[in-house]
Amino acid sequence: DAGITQSPRHKVTETGTPVTLRCHQTENHRYMYWYRQDPGHGLRLIHYSYGVKDTDKGEVSDGYSVSRSKTEDFLLTLESATSSQTSVYFCAISESVVSSYEQYFGPGTRLTVT
Amino acid sequence: QKEVEQNSGPLSVPEGAIASLNCTYSDRGSQSFFWYRQYSGKSPELIMSIYSNGDKEDGRFTAQLNKASQYVSLLIRDSQPSDSATYLCAVLRGGTASKLTFGTGTRLQVTL
Repeated sequence: DAGITQSPRHKVTETGTPVTLRCHQTENHRYMYWYRQDPGHGLRLIHYSYGVKDTDKGEVSDGYSVSRSKTEDFLLTLESATSSQTSVYFCAISESVVSSYEQYFGPGTRLTVT
Repeated sequence: QKEVEQNSGPLSVPEGAIASLNCTYSDRGSQSFFWYRQYSGKSPELIMSIYSNGDKEDGRFTAQLNKASQYVSLLIRDSQPSDSATYLCAVLRGGTASKLTFGTGTRLQVTL
């Protein structure tokens, strides 16, 4: 988890409220990712970023948006939280030049939507 | 067919034995392959990466890649109880830039 932090680490929220999760890195890596992990589904990509202000959708992007205004920060927003978004959310980073897209993960955020 | 397939397990091996974890993938254009270890309640940790056919060894871990058979495996020699975890296979598919596709993982149990 060195160099990658996520906040908050745990959150309980109510259906219909907006939620923002933050990923912060100190590695100056170009690529950042948001995944969710659910039993039986493994890790699924929500959104990713390939540079400041450059983002794209993953396989499960509906209901989520992202922003990256600085190299070190990647924010994930749940526009209006639903119970189906209860999950563990992981941020990851990678740098193609050095490590051929090896991804390194943050500690995760456990989100519960009631 | 899933893009990356792993047997969910649990795979149970006695302490000191060799654990063999397998992964198959569907995209022949896949370029890079990774193994992650994930302890319960923790985040995935990269333990091996392999890019070309053959074997790659790192300590007690050996990754094996066979692109013709679309198969990648991880061998853990002298298995220890601390190796008990879920092992995730990840593949960098062709044409997907920096995006990895993950299998659902194999749970390994090393018994005393």
